[in-house]
Amino acid sequence: NAGVTQTPKFQVLKTGQSMTLQCAQDMNHEYMSWYRQDPGMGLRLIHYSVGAGITDQGEVPNGYNVSRSTTEDFPLRLLSAAPSQTSVYFCASSYSTGGGSPLHFGNGTRLTVT
Amino acid sequence: LAKTTQPISMDSYEGQEVNITCSHNNIATNDYITWYQQFPSQGPRFIIQGYKTKVTNEVASLFIPADRKSSTLSLPRVSLSDTAVYYCLVKAGRRALTFGSGTRLQVQP
Repeated sequence: NAGVTQTPKFQVLKTGQSMTLQCAQDMNHEYMSWYRQDPGMGLRLIHYSVGAGITDQGEVPNGYNVSRSTTEDFPLRLLSAAPSQTSVYFCASSYSTGGGSPLHFGNGTRLTVT
Repeated sequence: LAKTTQPISMDSYEGQEVNITCSHNNIATNDYITWYQQFPSQGPRFIIQGYKTKVTNEVASLFIPADRKSSTLSLPRVSLSDTAVYYCLVKAGRRALTFGSGTRLQVQP
C-alpha cells in the first residue's frame, strides 16, 4: 500500500516563485491536512479538508492556498515564496477527525527558499 | 483552538519506564486522545489512542483519568531506539487537529 505520497521530496525556490506541493492518498480518507515543521519545532497546521470541495484554514494559512477537487489529492500552493516559508511540509490523512481514526503522514517535502 | 501542554524534554536510561503526561483541559466529550512518535526527518507515526481509563498495546500504555483533562503515555523498558519526539493530540474545535510542541525524549545507554 502506498499510503500518503508527497512529491517532491526536496525543493529549492527563489523568493517570489510559486510552486505546488503534491499530496495523494489511496486509503479513501475523508480528512486531509497540511502541516509545516520548522527546525526543532512542533507541527503547525496550515490548511485542512474534511472532504472533496471543503477546505478550511489552520493555525498558519497565510501565503498558502489549497483545493480538494478529489478525495485522493490535496495539493498545497505557495503563491509567492518567502524565506520564512523554508520548512519541512507534511501531509496527513485520516478516515475522519473523530475517535478511532489516527492520522497517517507522508514522508515530507523539505523546502528551502533563498 | 484547544491546546495541549507537555514537558519540553525528558531524559531516561535504557531499561527504565518512561511516563510522559499531556494536559488537555478543553477536551470535548467525543474526543479521543492520540499519541504520536516522530524520528528526525520522518513524519509522525501513530503509537496509541484512547478515550478513558487505560489502553495497552505492544508498544505502550495510555492512562486517562476520569475527568479526561490529562493523559499519560507510558513506555516500558525504553531502549536507545525510543529516542524521539512524542506528541499528544486531541481534536481542537472545528474539526481541526492541532499538535502541541511535543516532548523530546532522550534515552541514554
